[in-house]
Amino acid sequence: AQTVTQSQPEMSVQEAETVTLSCTYDTSESDYYLFWYKQPPSRQMILVIRQEAYKQQNATENRFSVNFQKAAKSFSLKISDSQLGDAAMYFCAYRRRSGATNKLIFGTGTLLAVQP
Amino acid sequence: ETGVTQSPTHLIKTRGQQVTLRCSSQSGHNTVSWYQQALGQGPQFIFQYYREEENGRGNFPPRFSGLQFPNYSSELNVNALELDDSALYLCASSLGNPGTTNEKLFFGSGTQLSVL
Repeated sequence: AQTVTQSQPEMSVQEAETVTLSCTYDTSESDYYLFWYKQPPSRQMILVIRQEAYKQQNATENRFSVNFQKAAKSFSLKISDSQLGDAAMYFCAYRRRSGATNKLIFGTGTLLAVQP
Repeated sequence: ETGVTQSPTHLIKTRGQQVTLRCSSQSGHNTVSWYQQALGQGPQFIFQYYREEENGRGNFPPRFSGLQFPNYSSELNVNALELDDSALYLCASSLGNPGTTNEKLFFGSGTQLSVL
């Protein structure tokens, strides 16, 4: 079975600084997707960034980028120039590429605080 | 805003009762999935519906059931409520056959269920 582990329950960063959130996963599949979701107090899950496992190039979305290490099964999120609005719970998630569903397997989350 | 709406936003029930949660998918989306997010945890996949048929289920007992209607709105029903059913319930919609596409999931803001 696939699992996703986030070992940092809480992180803190100063506004305008850079922070990296860690995620590791376990799977026997070779083709899959990895995601970072943000969950603010509104509770809605918002997709931050997506990585396809067959792509070697790390995904980037504006201030957000990932470090995808497939052999190490590691998928970290880097947030540059942190803003107060980045404060939220961040979840790493895995999805098989094949199969009948788009089931996501989530980690336990990292609560990010941004200090002004 | 994702266009996915859930009702009610909060609900209090007592043990043994039954509850129905509702989700209105983003316009045109024919796939909906439901997740349970216990306090301090990541969301757990309950099941998915595609074109009104359940096509995938997580590790939840049969007292968790669902429906998807022709207009692609959906319901999650939970019978014989237990204290451990207290959680945030999220629905997510997407377009297309989930086994063949990598369409983005759009989440609602959830229903917070408390079982006393």
